[in-house]
Amino acid sequence: QTVVTQEPSFSVSPGGTVTLTCGLNSGSVSTSYYPSWYQQTPGQAPRTLIYNTNTRSSGVPDRFSGSILGNKAALTITGAQADDESDYYCILYVGSGAHVVFGGGTRLTVL
Amino acid sequence: EVQLVESGGGLVKPGGSLRLSCAVSEFTFSDAWVNWVRQAPGRGLEWVGRIKSKSNGGTTDYAAPVRGRFIISRDDSKNTLYLQMGNLRTEDTAIYYCTTEVLYNYGLEYWGHGTLVTVSS
Repeated sequence: QTVVTQEPSFSVSPGGTVTLTCGLNSGSVSTSYYPSWYQQTPGQAPRTLIYNTNTRSSGVPDRFSGSILGNKAALTITGAQADDESDYYCILYVGSGAHVVFGGGTRLTVL
Repeated sequence: EVQLVESGGGLVKPGGSLRLSCAVSEFTFSDAWVNWVRQAPGRGLEWVGRIKSKSNGGTTDYAAPVRGRFIISRDDSKNTLYLQMGNLRTEDTAIYYCTTEVLYNYGLEYWGHGTLVTVSS
């Protein structure tokens, strides 16, 4: 069974830079998994940040960037702001059927 | 502005059925691959399944927990996506979101605000 791993929690200081990662329980993440990233604040629907590894969704500020770092996908937030405090989820496309698998999410605290 | 509006959620007993709808506007719905994603109370997001565009065969894919119990369909003439849920279990209790995949690319793009399904006796 494919398990997508994310840090359960992370904290960053206002104005700082943080990198969240998205890995696989077995194997490395590459661009062939088409990683994407989503932000969700409590009580709200998710918002798309990044798709296909590093393409920003419409209206997303360039403080958010996606990449592959080592054997994981990564979301980097620069100049962290208070309203970046949210849950962040990644997804990977796996298998011949291109099934979507979510990571467990990372709760980001800005303090 | 693209809008996705889910409806049909509610309270249902274990073993029961429910059909959700998702109306999509201001979007090339017929070309889109569309998905259902759910979120149980206090938990993370979970992919439920997808239906491809008719030009890509209109085929469906499902996550293991719902395969054989849920059916995704679409009516392109009404720009509407459906989720027929059967043999519901308490663990199906969640907010159900519809979401479009990025046209001709990979990743989820537009999201509805969700509809709550509660399975309880």
